[in-house]
Amino acid sequence: ILNVEQSPQSLHVQEGDSTNFTCSFPSSNFYALHWYRWETAKSPEALFVMTLNGDEKKKGRISATLNTKEGYSYLYIKGSQPEDSATYLCAGVNEGSGNTGKLIFGQGTTLQVKP
Amino acid sequence: DTGVSQDPRHKITKRGQNVTFRCDPISEHNRLYWYRQTLGQGPEFLTYFQNEAQLEKSRLLSDRFSAERPKGSFSTLEIQRTEQGDSAMYLCASSGGNTIYFGEGSWLTVV
Repeated sequence: ILNVEQSPQSLHVQEGDSTNFTCSFPSSNFYALHWYRWETAKSPEALFVMTLNGDEKKKGRISATLNTKEGYSYLYIKGSQPEDSATYLCAGVNEGSGNTGKLIFGQGTTLQVKP
Repeated sequence: DTGVSQDPRHKITKRGQNVTFRCDPISEHNRLYWYRQTLGQGPEFLTYFQNEAQLEKSRLLSDRFSAERPKGSFSTLEIQRTEQGDSAMYLCASSGGNTIYFGEGSWLTVV
């Protein structure tokens, strides 16, 4: 069974600060890891899909790394802006669900960026 | 591409009533998923369709829940004899490749 954990649960930063959060998952039976940004009253927005150990992906000021051997992924936001305020979810796919793409979500990290 | 759309966005119902949610996936996406989210938790997988075939169901999906995707396009999720514990957001998602796209969700409140 894939158990995905995220930390911290919530984070408050000042505008301009850089920040990062962690997603942990069992390294055995790993298939893929997804990151989403979820703003209130909107649909979760897909940020990254990561599959390879050592993968690093970037989208604007947001980047993510993946370590499948030790079972973690980091999400970084450089120079946080108030519009970055959202809940960031990671979700794992285990090897047995590679064909279906079934996601197992962590609890999320809620980021609030103060102007 | 209009994204994944869900209807209704909000539903308040009395305990014991039946409710039905509809999901229209991104066109030509063959995979469709339903998830449920309660406060403080990440979304939990409920069920998965490949075209019209329901290929996986979570143990969370009790006998009161049924999902269909009759023509491999839109899907419905019906909850019969609703209970207060069914109050949650029901999210639909679709995929044609590696990325899974979510709708805005349908909020259910059972009173």
